[in-house]
Amino acid sequence: QVQLQESGPGLVKPSETLSLTCAVSGYSISSGYYWGWIRQPPGKGLEWIGSIYHSGSTYYNPSLKSRVTISVDTSKNQFSLKLSSVTAADTAVYYCARVLYGSSWYNRWFDPWGQGTLVTVSS
Amino acid sequence: QSVLTQPPSVSGAPGQRVTISCTGSSSNIGAGYDVHWYQQLPGTAPKLLIYGNSNRPSGVPDRFSGSKSGTSASLAITGLQAEDEADYYCQSYDSSLSGHWVFGGGTKLTVL
Repeated sequence: QVQLQESGPGLVKPSETLSLTCAVSGYSISSGYYWGWIRQPPGKGLEWIGSIYHSGSTYYNPSLKSRVTISVDTSKNQFSLKLSSVTAADTAVYYCARVLYGSSWYNRWFDPWGQGTLVTVSS
Repeated sequence: QSVLTQPPSVSGAPGQRVTISCTGSSSNIGAGYDVHWYQQLPGTAPKLLIYGNSNRPSGVPDRFSGSKSGTSASLAITGLQAEDEADYYCQSYDSSLSGHWVFGGGTKLTVL
């Protein structure tokens, strides 16, 4: 079964770059599917950040696009998130997930999810 | 403010039936894009509950069902159990602002 595990620093200073990695086990990223990042500020709802295909093709949330970079390393079976110029508003639990799709390119959902990692932006 | 609107909270007694609504617009649910639902138990990651409006993944009890009509979707839970107490989120695609996947604000289900 597919399992995902996020890792990275739990504390990032304002204006710096947040960097996280998602290790995938039980499935080879090279075999297909999109893979995504979603975040959840403490006590708040979910926000899709972006998604990447094994070929490197990416889609980003327009509201974060100028600060987000998602990349994939098929040799390590993992994908990564970089979010630049962070502020306190970027404090959140960051989840990675596999992206599944149905009858059309637009109809995509997330399953399974990693356990999530809390990133706090503070000096 | 979320593009998809959910009630902040719903409640029900054990054994009862509850529904959670997810209201969108012509750029998301009303445009024909599918709605998916997630359950988030306290302190855990979201778990897929319903995909493609009304399909249950393997392992999800048939007490959970989804439907969609017009610009809204609903999640129904029958035979409410204490273990169903959680946050529930709907998710769809929105074609505005270059297009992206969006979530509802979430609904806290309390089992009385």
